[in-house]
Amino acid sequence: EPEVTQTPSHQVTQMGQEVILRCVPISNHLYFYWYRQILGQKVEFLVSFYNNEISEKSEIFDDQFSVERPDGSNFTLKIRSTKLEDSAMYFCASSWGMNTEAFFGQGTRLTVV
Amino acid sequence: AQSVTQLDSQVPVFEEAPVELRCNYSSSVSVYLFWYVQYPNQGLQLLLKYLSGSTLVKGINGFEAEFNKSQTSFHLRKPSVHISDTAEYFCAVSDPNNAGNMLTFGGGTRLMVKP
Repeated sequence: EPEVTQTPSHQVTQMGQEVILRCVPISNHLYFYWYRQILGQKVEFLVSFYNNEISEKSEIFDDQFSVERPDGSNFTLKIRSTKLEDSAMYFCASSWGMNTEAFFGQGTRLTVV
Repeated sequence: AQSVTQLDSQVPVFEEAPVELRCNYSSSVSVYLFWYVQYPNQGLQLLLKYLSGSTLVKGINGFEAEFNKSQTSFHLRKPSVHISDTAEYFCAVSDPNNAGNMLTFGGGTRLMVKP
């Protein structure tokens, strides 16, 4: 069964460092997303990406964040200069069309120290 | 703006008992509704969804949910739970006309099934 794959499963980084979270969406999907869940809080939408551009982003997704689809298979989230409050579980998701089921990866736990 | 409230953060229940996990939403537009499940150390998996049509929706693993527009609710039910149903359950909404296709999640309900 096709699935969304995220790497690494856990990343520890020092405050101020850049980090890149990687995702391989399901191959025939066209919409890609990043969500995050700070420990004990809700799952929050960060950004959606379609046709090689951002289609929507939340207030959380400020200038420190960027997304890229560098080739036909990967979808990455970059945090330019990490802060302690960026510590969270980051979920990548993909769907094949508008209002179709979003398939989620297992998440990357980011710990900023 | 949309919001989702899951009133119960934890629901303990004995095996083979029925369970209802509550979800209420707030939205100024029509919505699509979803329930996702997260097993320990895993991602979010779709249980069921309501897009239109019949207000009673059946999902995987014997779960069902009923959309009640007047009460703005989408409660999840299962007539008889198993130990393996122990997980975190998330209710979510989306705006059908939103180009970004974003989901707004509730805070989650931890279902704890006891033997």
